[in-house]
Amino acid sequence: GAVVSQHPSRVICKSGTSVKIECRSLDFQATTMFWYRQFPKQSLMLMATSNEGSKATYEQGVEKDKFLINHASLTLSTLTVTSAHPEDSSFYICSALQGAEETQYFGPGTRLLVL
Amino acid sequence: QKEVEQDPGPLSVPEGAIVSLNCTYSNSAFQYFMWYRQYSRKGPELLMYTYSSGNKEDGRFTAQVDKSSKYISLFIRDSQPSDSATYLCAMRYVGANNLFFGTGTRLTVIP
Repeated sequence: GAVVSQHPSRVICKSGTSVKIECRSLDFQATTMFWYRQFPKQSLMLMATSNEGSKATYEQGVEKDKFLINHASLTLSTLTVTSAHPEDSSFYICSALQGAEETQYFGPGTRLLVL
Repeated sequence: QKEVEQDPGPLSVPEGAIVSLNCTYSNSAFQYFMWYRQYSRKGPELLMYTYSSGNKEDGRFTAQVDKSSKYISLFIRDSQPSDSATYLCAMRYVGANNLFFGTGTRLTVIP
């Protein structure tokens, strides 16, 4: 149990285009999901907290108009990187809270490369 | 000072060795402690989850929490090459969902 998927696993896009990443909880419902960014050989950096049916809460320094988050159902949250630039190239990972202990389970990550 | 400190390594051990991974923290309000394993280019995988102080064992893995010292450990017995990964400690407060991560320790188990 507690499986989280992400799609796509890898995406290459041109500068200026928008990219949507999906995060799904496959065998449980998740009121809360999180989006992280990870640079090579570094730990995870929390970008935002996604709550089903309400606006996401963004961490300081994360542009909400650039990183659009939609949590429209209890099993799906999406992150859209708008007008992507090469500096947005990174590994994006989502997680979902599961169970009474609210443990975070992570997706496999999405590698974004902006050319 | 970071809230969670973790030696980034790298740490190399021979197959079969006992591995000790550690984190220290500064905020005594942390009550939930986790260890995640992350293989290269993959998402973190939850290994151990403990609440407050004490030990927890799961197969070859043992997690220890010493709240008085603000120190947590993960022990891996009979280490295998497949254990080669980055190990992240994480912790959170009661009533909060955000996790505070260590930087991760990169472990290599040499056959």
